[in-house]
Amino acid sequence: EAQLLESGGGLVQPGGSLRLSCTASGLTFRQYPISWVRQAPGKGLEWVSGLSGSGDTTYYADSVKGRFTISRDNSKSTLYLQMNSLRAEDTAIYYCAKDPLYDPTGKNAFDIWGRGTTVTVSS
Amino acid sequence: DIQMTQSPSAMSASVGDRVTITCRASQGVNNYIAWLQQKPGEAPKRLIYSTSRLHSGVPSRFSGSGSGTKFTLTISSLQPEDFATYYCLQHSVDPYTFGQGTKLEIK
Repeated sequence: EAQLLESGGGLVQPGGSLRLSCTASGLTFRQYPISWVRQAPGKGLEWVSGLSGSGDTTYYADSVKGRFTISRDNSKSTLYLQMNSLRAEDTAIYYCAKDPLYDPTGKNAFDIWGRGTTVTVSS
Repeated sequence: DIQMTQSPSAMSASVGDRVTITCRASQGVNNYIAWLQQKPGEAPKRLIYSTSRLHSGVPSRFSGSGSGTKFTLTISSLQPEDFATYYCLQHSVDPYTFGQGTKLEIK
């Protein structure tokens, strides 16, 4: 069974940094683009960033562009999100999920999600 | 960015009811619409992809339809486990965008 597992969340002060990880099992990780999606407390879902399977195509929401960097290590089946210059409004549960980039069928569109990791930005 | 306007934002219904949730996109999305279900404290789960294709293992009482800029999720006969929040999502164009969510509560 394919699974994604996030880690790395925690409490950080405004202006600080944090790196999240998303580790995959049960799938050929390098074949799949993966996205980060977040959910602020009591709010809806917001797409944050995505990365192609090879790692050569990145895309970001305007709200995080220039502050967050997505990357992956296919040898470790792991996706990362480096978050810098954190703000209170970045407080959220961060999920990773399969991304439909380059998939014309849509079959891979957000079909597998991790359980999420919580990031709290507060002084 | 493509805006996804989802309605209603909340609704109450009874077991056995037929329920329809609507999403309107601000521009065409090539039918790249998915529907997700989220229960409190859990990650979202996909129900429908490519507007009308049922995700593996999802009960057939769930269905999706639509074209152009208007899309719907229908639950034909509500079951107790269906009370949750539902989101539409367009993944036609980066940035991907979600609807605001519909909280479905027991009447």
